[in-house]
Amino acid sequence: DSGVTQTPKHLITATGQRVTLRCSPRSGDLSVYWYQQSLDQGLQFLIQYYNGEERAKGNILERFSAQQFPDLHSELNLSSLELGDSALYFCASSVVPGGTGELFFGEGSRLTVL
Amino acid sequence: TQLLEQSPQFLSIQEGENLTVYCNSSSVFSSLQWYRQEPGEGPVLLVTVVTGGEVKKLKRLTFQFGDARKDSSLHITAAQPGDTGLYLCAGAKEETSGSRLTFGEGTQLTVNP
Repeated sequence: DSGVTQTPKHLITATGQRVTLRCSPRSGDLSVYWYQQSLDQGLQFLIQYYNGEERAKGNILERFSAQQFPDLHSELNLSSLELGDSALYFCASSVVPGGTGELFFGEGSRLTVL
Repeated sequence: TQLLEQSPQFLSIQEGENLTVYCNSSSVFSSLQWYRQEPGEGPVLLVTVVTGGEVKKLKRLTFQFGDARKDSSLHITAAQPGDTGLYLCAGAKEETSGSRLTFGEGTQLTVNP
């Protein structure tokens, strides 16, 4: 158990819909990262937050957005869903926003878009 | 374009065999991490290497960071079925906003009893 909690574990929805994925980081970790893992593209960095502020942005589509709340939990919002958005979405947390620190990953949210 | 290339992508071996997984890039990284991911779970950190030429051992696993800090290898001795999983390397690059990890696509290892 990494201490990072993600909900829901599984989600099935239709194209055009909107979903919200939730992440609670490890106790004490201020930095939250979102990654997308698909079969053909591996683990892709989407976005990072540190203590409520956006810290770094990766390959995140404009249809996707995220935020980190004062209690440090984070939500990833995916809208106008397309078939290609089907993937595993991982949240990870770390104590500090950079350096060589370990990332602790949640178990992921598997999104299926039909 | 994948910044980190891992090879092989798939590896199926018998218990007791040795294997090496490679992680290569044309970029220099400040550090490199290796993770293992099992089905239904998130990646779990195995090791971080920081210094060029560094070698770290974790039981039967040996990790090496290239002298130029552009590549790394993971060697497993006498593989066991419990070693089965997706092995991911991740390179950290220092940026003005803090370092970011870039992951390779992974090597799916299957160790057959």
